[in-house]
Amino acid sequence: NAGVTQTPKFQVLKTGQSMTLQCAQDMNHNSMYWYRQDPGMGLRLIYYSASEGTTDKGEVPNGYNVSRLNKREFSLRLESAAPSQTSVYFCASSVPGSSYNSPLHFGNGTRLTVT
Amino acid sequence: GQSLEQPSEVTAVEGAIVQINCTYQTSGFYGLSWYQQHDGGAPTFLSYNALDGLEETGRFSSFLSRSDSYGYLLLQELQMKDSASYFCAVRDRWDTGFQKLVFGTGTRLLVSP
Repeated sequence: NAGVTQTPKFQVLKTGQSMTLQCAQDMNHNSMYWYRQDPGMGLRLIYYSASEGTTDKGEVPNGYNVSRLNKREFSLRLESAAPSQTSVYFCASSVPGSSYNSPLHFGNGTRLTVT
Repeated sequence: GQSLEQPSEVTAVEGAIVQINCTYQTSGFYGLSWYQQHDGGAPTFLSYNALDGLEETGRFSSFLSRSDSYGYLLLQELQMKDSASYFCAVRDRWDTGFQKLVFGTGTRLLVSP
C-alpha cells in the first residue's frame, strides 16, 4: 500500500520557470492538501481540496494553482517560480471526519530550490 | 488570528521522560493533534485529543486542557529513534465549514546516549 506518493522528490528551478508537483493517494480519501514547510515556520497550508471537484485557498495560496484531477490525484502548479518559493512541499490526504479525528497522511515531500 | 507556541528545542537522555508543551490561540477549536517528523521525512500522526485529559498510546501520552488552551506530549522511556521534530496542530474550521489543521512551528527533540 503506497499511501501518498509525490513526484518529483527534488527539483531545481530558475526564477520565472514553471513546474507542476504531482501527488496521488491510493487510500480512497476524499480530502487532499498541499503544505509548504520552511525552517522555523512549521507547515502552512497552500490549497486544499475537500472532495473531488472542489478546491479552496489555504493560508498562503499566492503564486500557486492546483488541480484536483480525480479522487486520487491533486497537483500543485507554480506558474512563475520565485526564490521565495524555495521550500519543502508536502501533499497530504485524509478522510473528512465529522468526529474531527481525521489524521493527515503525508507524502515524502518535494524539495524545491528556486535560484 | 491563530497562533500555537511550543519550545523550539528540547534535549534529553535515553530512558528519560520528556514533556513538550503547546499553547494555542485559535478562533475555533475542535481538537489538538501531535505529529512526529524525522529529518528528511514526512510528518506522521501520533495522537489526538478532543476532550480534556490524558490519552495514552504506548510510550507516548498526550494531554489537553481546553480551559487553559494548553496541551502537552509526554514521551517516556526515550529511545534514540525518538530524536525528531514534534508538531502540535489545532483543528479549526474554515469559513467554508471545512476543517483545517493549523500547525505549530515544531519542537526539535534531541535524545543522547
